[in-house]
Amino acid sequence: DQQVKQNSPSLSVQEGRISILNCDYTNSMFDYFLWYKKYPAEGPTFLISISSIKDKNEDGRFTVFLNKSAKHLSLHIVPSQPGDSAVYFCAARATTDSWGKFQFGAGTQVVVTP
Amino acid sequence: DGGITQSPKYLFRKEGQNVTLSCEQNLNHDAMYWYRQDPGQGLRLIYYSQIVNDFQKGDIAEGYSVSREKKESFPLTVTSAQKNPTAFYLCASTLLSRGGELFFGEGSRLTVL
Repeated sequence: DQQVKQNSPSLSVQEGRISILNCDYTNSMFDYFLWYKKYPAEGPTFLISISSIKDKNEDGRFTVFLNKSAKHLSLHIVPSQPGDSAVYFCAARATTDSWGKFQFGAGTQVVVTP
Repeated sequence: DGGITQSPKYLFRKEGQNVTLSCEQNLNHDAMYWYRQDPGQGLRLIYYSQIVNDFQKGDIAEGYSVSREKKESFPLTVTSAQKNPTAFYLCASTLLSRGGELFFGEGSRLTVL
């Protein structure tokens, strides 16, 4: 049973435009959410996170929005650049879980075209 | 430099053989994890460990085994019982007390011939 879902396997966006990646979760205990970026044959790298006490977190070109009532979060990349072409994973954990289990979505492949 | 080191990066094995993937971290992190990535399926948790000499099964532990004899090391053995072992394996760690993010290694690509 997948607790974190990324329903769009791929996204194509023009350079300079906004990329919007979506993520839904089912476990109401999740209170910490993260986005990772992954290039082929490499480990994922951390991009940005958000705690459930916030509804928005911004870091440069990356902004994450959290809608707790809808159990939905999104990542906005503005403006999109060719180097942003990668797979993006959404992850979630319940900080009350002392074992620190992180659940990941299936990922969204982003392609930024010139 | 601090980080997580996985080895080997690429590994080939014949069916019926066990193989061990190494994961070492010098970040002084408490918790370590093994994930498996298959196309279209994201990252699935195999095993995780919070402290030395203790570990828990993740969502897809069958056919795998781990040990945590040292805080820095969390090797994963892919046994011959694993039905479909060809995959990209990722090791990660985190400092649980800080509630921070997972740090990942570069991954190990295992191919069963």
